[in-house]
Amino acid sequence: GDSVTQMEGPVTLSEEAFLTINCTYTATGYPSLFWYVQYPGEGLQLLLKATKADDKGSNKGFEATYRKETTSFHLEKGSVQVSDSAVYFCALSPSDFNKFYFGSGTKLNVKP
Amino acid sequence: DTGVSQDPRHKITKRGQNVTFRCDPISEHNRLYWYRQTLGQGPEFLTYFQNEAQLEKSRLLSDRFSAERPKGSFSTLEIQRTEQGDSAMYLCASRGQGLYEQYFGPGTRLTVT
Repeated sequence: GDSVTQMEGPVTLSEEAFLTINCTYTATGYPSLFWYVQYPGEGLQLLLKATKADDKGSNKGFEATYRKETTSFHLEKGSVQVSDSAVYFCALSPSDFNKFYFGSGTKLNVKP
Repeated sequence: DTGVSQDPRHKITKRGQNVTFRCDPISEHNRLYWYRQTLGQGPEFLTYFQNEAQLEKSRLLSDRFSAERPKGSFSTLEIQRTEQGDSAMYLCASRGQGLYEQYFGPGTRLTVT
């Protein structure tokens, strides 16, 4: 069945460091891919999305490219800030969009 | 657009009691989803409505769980005879026609003692 695997955390970085959070997926057909972020005490917020192969989603300095050949959707940011500290979830939605499959989340801690 | 709202935000109940949660989606969204999230895990799909029709249910949704969306607007999720294993965050999300992404509410945290 469809599933998402993302790197385990926590990931601890210093401010202005480069961030990569790995995400790979298993799916039939042509899923859409998403990154959601959950700040402490808050709900999930959409960070970015890509709906077809080779699409690049971007938002707030974060980027991820839908790589069908490697079934990956890695999240990157060139220079993290303390305010980026949160839990990041990779998710996929099959082509019928009837549900999302989420990874287990990666906690990011950014130190000043 | 006031976002997805859920009520209550926290619920503490004793094992064996029934609980009901409410979700109000974004007003123009016709699709509504329920998920369960346990500590350290990502959300797991429970069920999905399109308007008032419940179109899909996960195997996670045992007979003790029931969800409704009677008028295609708000939805309720009821858990009967709660068990300690039901303790989790219950998330509601909605999606509008033509949109790919789901918008999530803040969740209802259930603690069964």
